[in-house]
Amino acid sequence: AQSVTQLGSHVSVSEGALVLLRCNYSSSVPPYLFWYVQYPNQGLQLLLKYTSAATLVKGINGFEAEFKKSETSFHLTKPSAHMSDAAEYFCAVSDRSQFYFGTGTSLTVIP
Amino acid sequence: GAVVSQHPSWVICKSGTSVKIECRSLDFQATTMFWYRQFPKQSLMLMATSNEGSKATYEQGVEKDKFLINHASLTLSTLTVTSAHPEDSSFYICSARKYTREKSTDTQYFGPGTRLTVL
Repeated sequence: AQSVTQLGSHVSVSEGALVLLRCNYSSSVPPYLFWYVQYPNQGLQLLLKYTSAATLVKGINGFEAEFKKSETSFHLTKPSAHMSDAAEYFCAVSDRSQFYFGTGTSLTVIP
Repeated sequence: GAVVSQHPSWVICKSGTSVKIECRSLDFQATTMFWYRQFPKQSLMLMATSNEGSKATYEQGVEKDKFLINHASLTLSTLTVTSAHPEDSSFYICSARKYTREKSTDTQYFGPGTRLTVL
């Protein structure tokens, strides 16, 4: 079975500070892993994805994530937070047939 | 990149009426589309998997007679909320699966969502 756990439903960082959003997964097959961002009243936008190539994945808007099989983690990071990064972030795992989403992490950026 | 559209982006209807939401893959063919429901401040919950030319597969607890799904073509899936009630008010998001055999890629692209409010 596949599942995703996002630790911390709310994360606040100061503008310019490191962003770290945590995601742990459980999968019975080699996983495909994704991070999506959702702005208010909008759909999901793909930030980045891991599909068994390089373990360090770079995405849009300066975000990146590292796949760590030993830790079953796929944490999302950004070196320097920007005000425009304030949004809801979802981690998801795919078993090739459907997606399983985490409960989301709301990121607040403090000026 | 691949684009998925939804129409309408928002709709307000009276209790008891039916509402149809369209999901289109604009620049690729999608044999499989998915419908999700999202309550405020919550994650996406998969409602059903829509396969072109066949019946949709509904997740446990989703009423198939209330949420009618039709996937008549490779670029269009529709979700009809029948006899809508206030508790059906939610944000409905579709996604379309794009599989490219040549590149061995398999990615879902999400629509912008439809906000349904039932009065």
